[in-house]
Amino acid sequence: AQTVTQSQPEMSVQEAETVTLSCTYDTSESDYYLFWYKQPPSRQMILVIRQEAYKQQNATENRFSVNFQKAAKSFSLKISDSQLGDAAMYFCAVDSNYQLIWGAGTKLIIKP
Amino acid sequence: GAGVSQTPSNKVTEKGKYVELRCDPISGHTALYWYRQSLGQGPEFLIYFQGTGAADDSGLPNDRFFAVRPEGSVSTLKIQRTERGDSAVYLCASSRTPRGTGELFFGEGSRLTVL
Repeated sequence: AQTVTQSQPEMSVQEAETVTLSCTYDTSESDYYLFWYKQPPSRQMILVIRQEAYKQQNATENRFSVNFQKAAKSFSLKISDSQLGDAAMYFCAVDSNYQLIWGAGTKLIIKP
Repeated sequence: GAGVSQTPSNKVTEKGKYVELRCDPISGHTALYWYRQSLGQGPEFLIYFQGTGAADDSGLPNDRFFAVRPEGSVSTLKIQRTERGDSAVYLCASSRTPRGTGELFFGEGSRLTVL
């Protein structure tokens, strides 16, 4: 069975600094997708970044980038120049046969 | 519509009652998903529709849960004989394409509280 583990229930970072959120996963599939979603208090999940497992190059979206280590099944999210609007729950997820398997989330606190 | 719309935003009901939760996906999105998110946890897959048919309902916890999408757009999640353990936020998402090739767009969820 596919599993996703986020070992950091909560992280805090000073505004303008860089923070890395960890995620490890387990899947038996050879072709899959990995995602980071952000969930603010409004409850609406918002896609932050997506990685296709067959691509070796790490995905980047503006201040957000990933460190994808396929052999280690690790998929961490780096947020550069943290902003107050980045405060939210962050969820890592792996796509498995039409389903998304989610981690338990990391609460990110931004200190002004 | 501009985004995925879910109604009601909040629903409080008594144990044993029947509830319906509605999802109106983004126009043109053929894939529709229901997830359940309990407090402090990540979402849990319930069911996936491709068009009008349920392509995968393996996440529905038991036969009290049922979902329909009769015309391939709006979907309704139906819960019979609600139990306190059904209390959660029910999230709906839609996508233009199936699987991870397309971004999932989520609604703001329906918070169900069973007293």
